[in-house]
Amino acid sequence: DAGVIQSPRHEVTEMGQEVTLRCKPISGHNSLFWYRQTMMRGLELLIYFNNNVPIDDSGMPEDRFSAKMPNASFSTLKIQPSEPRDSAVYFCASSAPPSPLHFGNGTRLTVT
Amino acid sequence: AQSVTQLGSHVSVSEGALVLLRCNYSSSVPPYLFWYVQYPNQGLQLLLKYTSAATLVKGINGFEAEFKKSETSFHLTKPSAHMSDAAEYFCAVSVGRGGSQGNLIFGKGTKLSVKP
Repeated sequence: DAGVIQSPRHEVTEMGQEVTLRCKPISGHNSLFWYRQTMMRGLELLIYFNNNVPIDDSGMPEDRFSAKMPNASFSTLKIQPSEPRDSAVYFCASSAPPSPLHFGNGTRLTVT
Repeated sequence: AQSVTQLGSHVSVSEGALVLLRCNYSSSVPPYLFWYVQYPNQGLQLLLKYTSAATLVKGINGFEAEFKKSETSFHLTKPSAHMSDAAEYFCAVSVGRGGSQGNLIFGKGTKLSVKP
């Protein structure tokens, strides 16, 4: 089992540019979560999907953020336009009840 | 609503000493509770979980945690610290009635340093 795979590992972009983060969950896991980690706010849940359907997106900070899960093996988190305050580590995690969360290694985003 | 409070953002112990990382929770329903560990530049890994069975839960790497309902606590302990235990530790509570172990609220984390 390869675990949750995120790409890219690091992303540096300029303010105003579009950023797309990608996630491949563990095969067979039907829930997928996007978290953001910053020093100030810790780990925050942005959105989660169950069976490819968004269930709770109340953590998405603004309309600049959007997430999709077109199929069971792929999800994207898009920021358009990006701002310096979006700089953080973004984690994708997946689970299949009753198993708990399995995290990817994260994408470190820097917006200059 | 569920929440988690971790006391102490940074804990330092000597190698071989007891490790105690504190976590208090608030939950309107019987909680599912978790401890995760994060090593530098990596994602979080599950250490152990409490899901309403035994109140003393044993996890990986010699860690254990005890659920105390009267104190609303779920402190993490290890009898003897090892250098490799240096990492950041997160306590988490499940949202809702515990059925989903994926939708979690995390504490701010406690960074553990181990001195030789």
